[in-house]
Amino acid sequence: SQQGEEDPQALSIQEGENATMNCSYKTSINNLQWYRQNSGRGLVHLILIRSNEREKHSGRLRVTLDTSKKSSSLLITASRAADTASYFCATDRYNNDMRFGAGTRLTVKP
Amino acid sequence: GAVVSQHPSWVICKSGTSVKIECRSLDFQATTMFWYRQFPKQSLMLMATSNEGSKATYEQGVEKDKFLINHASLTLSTLTVTSAHPEDSSFYICSAGTVLYSNQPQHFGDGTRLSIL
Repeated sequence: SQQGEEDPQALSIQEGENATMNCSYKTSINNLQWYRQNSGRGLVHLILIRSNEREKHSGRLRVTLDTSKKSSSLLITASRAADTASYFCATDRYNNDMRFGAGTRLTVKP
Repeated sequence: GAVVSQHPSWVICKSGTSVKIECRSLDFQATTMFWYRQFPKQSLMLMATSNEGSKATYEQGVEKDKFLINHASLTLSTLTVTSAHPEDSSFYICSAGTVLYSNQPQHFGDGTRLSIL
C-alpha cells in the first residue's frame, strides 16, 4: 500500500527557478528518501534524511523533515532543463521496508 | 556507487508465455531484494520482498503463484511472471539492499518493460 503523498502532482517551471515538492506520510519512519526517475528508467537516489534530522543539503538539493507533521519537502534551486523528471519520496519504516509516494512530475522549460 | 543490473530491459511476448526477469547486485551482497510494479504515470507499488535463502514475502493482493520470486544467492533474484496476460503488462523494477546497514538507500535496477500481446 502507498505510504506517502506528494504535492503537487505536476509542476512546470522555467529554467533558473526553484522547484519545491512536498511529501506527507502516515506512519512513524526510520528515514525518508527522495528519488528521481527519468521517463522509462529506474530510480536514482537523491537524498536520505534520518528521522532525527531536520534538514539536509546536497548540491542544489535541500530536504527538510518535520516528523511532528509527518511531512518532508524537496527544494531544487536554480533548476535546469535536465532536472525534468519524476520525483518520489519513500519512507523506510524498518529493514528497508520502503513505501513510495505518488510522485511529482517536474518539467523545467529551457 | 552500488550497481544493480536488471535484465531484460524490454520484453514483448504472446499471451500465455512465462517471462523471467533477473536482478543482480554487481558489487555488493544483497540480503534483501524488492520487486516493484509501476503503471504509467503512477508510483511504485511494492509486490514482494525477497530474502536470500528464504521464501519471498508478498504484499496483499499479489498472487504468489502468478509472480514467482527466487533469491537463490546474495547477488541474484528472479521474478517470473507465469502465463502472462495483457493485464500483466507493466514496468517492473527491482531494488537491492542489505539489512546489515541501516539508514542506507536501496539501489535500483533500470527496470523491465513487459508488454504482453
